[in-house]
Amino acid sequence: GAVVSQHPSRVICKSGTSVKIECRSLDFQATTMFWYRQFPKQSLMLMATSNEGSKATYEQGVEKDKFLINHASLTLSTLTVTSAHPEDSSFYICSAFQTGSSYNSPLHFGNGTRLTVT
Amino acid sequence: GIQVEQSPPDLILQEGANSTLRCNFSDSVNNLQWFHQNPWGQLINLFYIPSGTKQNGRLSATTVATERYSLLYISSSQTTDSGVYFCAVGSIIQGAQKLVFGQGTRLTINP
Repeated sequence: GAVVSQHPSRVICKSGTSVKIECRSLDFQATTMFWYRQFPKQSLMLMATSNEGSKATYEQGVEKDKFLINHASLTLSTLTVTSAHPEDSSFYICSAFQTGSSYNSPLHFGNGTRLTVT
Repeated sequence: GIQVEQSPPDLILQEGANSTLRCNFSDSVNNLQWFHQNPWGQLINLFYIPSGTKQNGRLSATTVATERYSLLYISSSQTTDSGVYFCAVGSIIQGAQKLVFGQGTRLTINP
């Protein structure tokens, strides 16, 4: 149980275009989802917390106008990288707690999306 | 915010050896997870262990919450154990759970 599906797994886009990444909880509901970014040979850094039905909360230094997050249902959050540039090339990973158990339960991760901006 | 330190940063061993990876954290936590990231980037959840000891096959983990550290033990290492191991700790910040990752330990198991 507790499967998080992320799509696409890999995307290549041209500089200046926008890319949407989907994160779905397949067998549980997730009021809150998290988006992480990982540059090569580095750790995972939390970008933002996605809240169903309300605005996302962004970490310091993350541009909210560039990384648009929408959490329209209890099973889907999307991250849109707007006007992507080569420096946005990275590995993006989403995660979620099962609703109602976020304080004392594991965080479940998707398989990640590798974004390459040319 | 909470600080997470993992050691060693790199570890190279021969197949069959045992290893111990350490995770120190700077504050009280209500969540601690160990992950193995494979070469394709996939995070494999190894343990959810905010306290106590757990074992799963050749792997075991111990968290001593009062002393703010956790250890991951790998016995009889295999080449497939190679990869990066992350410790991530969670605490409640302004009413929200946030999981912070350490910098990882890169483990290489040579045949």
